[in-house]
Amino acid sequence: AQKVTQAQTEISVVEKEDVTLDCVYETRDTTYYLFWYKQPPSGELVFLIRRNSFDEQNEISGRYSWNFQKSTSSFNFTITASQVVDSAVYFCALSPAGGTSYGKLTFGQGTILTVHP
Amino acid sequence: DAGVIQSPRHEVTEMGQEVTLRCKPISGHDYLFWYRQTMMRGLELLIYFNNNVPIDDSGMPEDRFSAKMPNASFSTLKIQPSEPRDSAVYFCASSLARGQFGYTFGSGTRLTVV
Repeated sequence: AQKVTQAQTEISVVEKEDVTLDCVYETRDTTYYLFWYKQPPSGELVFLIRRNSFDEQNEISGRYSWNFQKSTSSFNFTITASQVVDSAVYFCALSPAGGTSYGKLTFGQGTILTVHP
Repeated sequence: DAGVIQSPRHEVTEMGQEVTLRCKPISGHDYLFWYRQTMMRGLELLIYFNNNVPIDDSGMPEDRFSAKMPNASFSTLKIQPSEPRDSAVYFCASSLARGQFGYTFGSGTRLTVV
């Protein structure tokens, strides 16, 4: 069985602060994919990143960066110099990369990020 | 590509009525997923299809729910009869090669059963 835990239910920061959203996962699969999605107030789910389990390189995309540590089963997401437009619910998700459950996404409960001006 | 298209965006219906949600996946995507989002349960997978064939429907809550994919460009999720506890946002998503390249979600259908 797979499980994704986002321990932070809500985070509130002031604009320009850096913020890190935590994600811890559990899986018995040896290969898997990890994802982050953003759900702004308008409600759609916006894909941010996908990471293969065999690729532990950290990734940076503009103000966003992701830290994947297989040893601690964590896939944390950092927003540098946060902006009001970053206010949203952020979901971490996991899917096996093989087996009968291949392709099934399991989501964490989400972290509500509010960035105040 | 226009992305994954869901209709309607909002649906309000009375308890006991039949509800049909619709989804058009991205052309060329061979996997289609139906998810439900509620405050209590978060995002949960209901069913998914590969090449129009249902692969796993273990997430479908009960027999009142059914899903079909008659062709590669169209899927429906039907609830008959609807109940207030079915109120949720229903998302459709599609992907290529089981999500190897990511999943694209539609804008969702917000269903309210009164």
